[in-house]
Amino acid sequence: GIQVEQSPPDLILQEGANSTLRCNFSDSVNNLQWFHQNPWGQLINLFYIPSGTKQNGRLSATTVATERYSLLYISSSQTTDSGVYFCAVGDASGTYKYIFGTGTRLKVLA
Amino acid sequence: DADVTQTPRNRITKTGKRIMLECSQTKGHDRMYWYRQDPGLGLRLIYYSFDVKDINKGEISDGYSVSRQAQAKFSLSLESAIPNQTALYFCATSPSATYEQYFGPGTRLTVT
Repeated sequence: GIQVEQSPPDLILQEGANSTLRCNFSDSVNNLQWFHQNPWGQLINLFYIPSGTKQNGRLSATTVATERYSLLYISSSQTTDSGVYFCAVGDASGTYKYIFGTGTRLKVLA
Repeated sequence: DADVTQTPRNRITKTGKRIMLECSQTKGHDRMYWYRQDPGLGLRLIYYSFDVKDINKGEISDGYSVSRQAQAKFSLSLESAIPNQTALYFCATSPSATYEQYFGPGTRLTVT
């Protein structure tokens, strides 16, 4: 089955810094989402981005499906950005099941 | 009100007990999913349903069963709970058109 790898596994930033999180996948995908899991365990939709680039405030994401990767950019990080960021992909076989990566754990220091 | 709700939010139960986790949605989506998350890991799919009459196993369905009572309701049952089923359980929904998934707040289940 499709493999999803996220990097880095852990990241510590000072407030105000920028960062790039990466998601690599091993096969063609027809769906891709980025989520933020906050310290209370809730999963928050960030982007649905099977291809192209999207921006929402300080966050933006780019997926290059032909090269099998997606990037999540966080600018001017805030302490509330702390948590775990997951990439989830749906394979192109038509079943539309998501495979999750193991996440990037981000801690933003005040 | 939340679009995807899960009950209970927290549950502690004993080994061997039967337990049901419930999920309801007001988004009008046809597709519903159950996932579990173990500490330090991503989510893994237990079961999914593309409509009321269509239920499919995910990658870790052993020890679980589901019921799709209506378009808006999808329940997950543990027939005889065991400690390694201690986890955070998420329900999700998606529309048929885009497959973007929307998650509920999660149920934290502990089996002692």
